[in-house]
Order: sequence, then C-alpha cells, then structure tokens
Amino acid sequence: DAMVIQNPRYQVTQFGKPVTLSCSQTLNHNVMYWYQQKSSQAPKLLFHYYDKDFNNEADTPDNFQSRRPNTSFCFLDIRSPGLGDAAMYLCATSRGGDRDNEQFFGPGTRLTVL
Amino acid sequence: DAKTTQPPSMDCAEGRAANLPCNHSTISGNEYVYWYRQIHSQGPQYIIHGLKNNETNEMASLIITEDRKSSTLILPHATLRDTAVYYCIVRVPGGAQKLVFGQGTRLTINP
Repeated sequence: DAMVIQNPRYQVTQFGKPVTLSCSQTLNHNVMYWYQQKSSQAPKLLFHYYDKDFNNEADTPDNFQSRRPNTSFCFLDIRSPGLGDAAMYLCATSRGGDRDNEQFFGPGTRLTVL
Repeated sequence: DAKTTQPPSMDCAEGRAANLPCNHSTISGNEYVYWYRQIHSQGPQYIIHGLKNNETNEMASLIITEDRKSSTLILPHATLRDTAVYYCIVRVPGGAQKLVFGQGTRLTINP
C-alpha cells in the first residue's frame, strides 16, 4: 500500500548531539511537511517542501533544518537538541496544486532528549 | 486562515451517533472546513471536508450551517476505535495545503 514511512519510530539522543529523522513516501506527492507535536498539544507545522522549494514557518527555530534529496525522501535535522525539543515529529505529504487535497501522515518519530 | 472553536472533550456511548460541533464564525467565502482525527500515538488522519453543502463518506458526515459559521461532524455509529482527538480546521484549498491545528475535541467512546 502507498504510504508515509518514518524511521525510526523512537529516537533517543543526548543534549546537544545532532540527530536526523527520516521520512519516505510511496505516494509520489509534491509536498512534504514536518510537524512537531509536544505532549498534550496539537501538531505544529515546522516547515514544508513543495517539490524542491523549501518553506520555513516564521517561528521555527534555526536549530531545525530539513533536506529533501528527491521526491520520496525528506529529513529533519536537529543540530543541537535541547530538552525542550523532546516531542513527536510527524511527517506528512500532499499532492499540492489547486485541488483540495488531504494530507497523509506518517506514524511519527518520538524523540527523547537526555 | 479562520480560527475554530471546539469543545475540549466529549463522551459518547458505543453504537450511538457522535456529533462533534465546531464554530468558525470568521470563515471567509473561499475557505473549506476540514476534519482530521488523531488516535493515540498515531499520526492525524483525514476524515472529510466541505465548502457549504453537506458531505458524507464512508467514515462520517459533515453538516455545515447555511451561514457557514458552524459545522458538525457526525460519526453515525461510534465504536471504541473512534476514540481520538478530532480537529476542525478551516482553510483555503490549493497550494501547499498547510494545516493549522487548534486544540481539538477529545472524543471518548464508552462501552
């Protein structure tokens, strides 16, 4: 089945140690998103790629970066994780364009910072 | 995008219809109403969307008032697996389809 895959499902890192989360999709969608969801809160958009165009949300910290080497893959890099970056990180995709397309979400990666 | 207001929590008995309200009094003419839900420890899942007509699919029905200032998501025969946080989002379709999630309604289906 076509889907959005996130690896790993659980990631533990140390304070200040760079970490990379990965997302892949078999839907061939144009747009890929990264959301951060802290405990008991709603998901919050960090940034998205529309094809190769990167779009950062205004309040996304510089500590968060993203790469999209091809249509299928997108990475979230946290350069120096702090304790406050512990959260669920959700990847999503959509076709984009003029149609009212839905977003498809992956299962998320839960990041723990020690 | 217009702001939405939802009750923080609701309960419903298994097998009964669950009716989840959403207020979006500042919605503009070209904004759609979208519903997503998030089951515990999973990513959000699209349910349904609409502009002004009532919509129905295999998961739910969406009733939008004539003035479009509020809507109701209806799960016709709720099951325990429908326990989740339900998010009502209004936005203009097209482009990058960015979603701005509010706090949603935590729906608990009781046996």
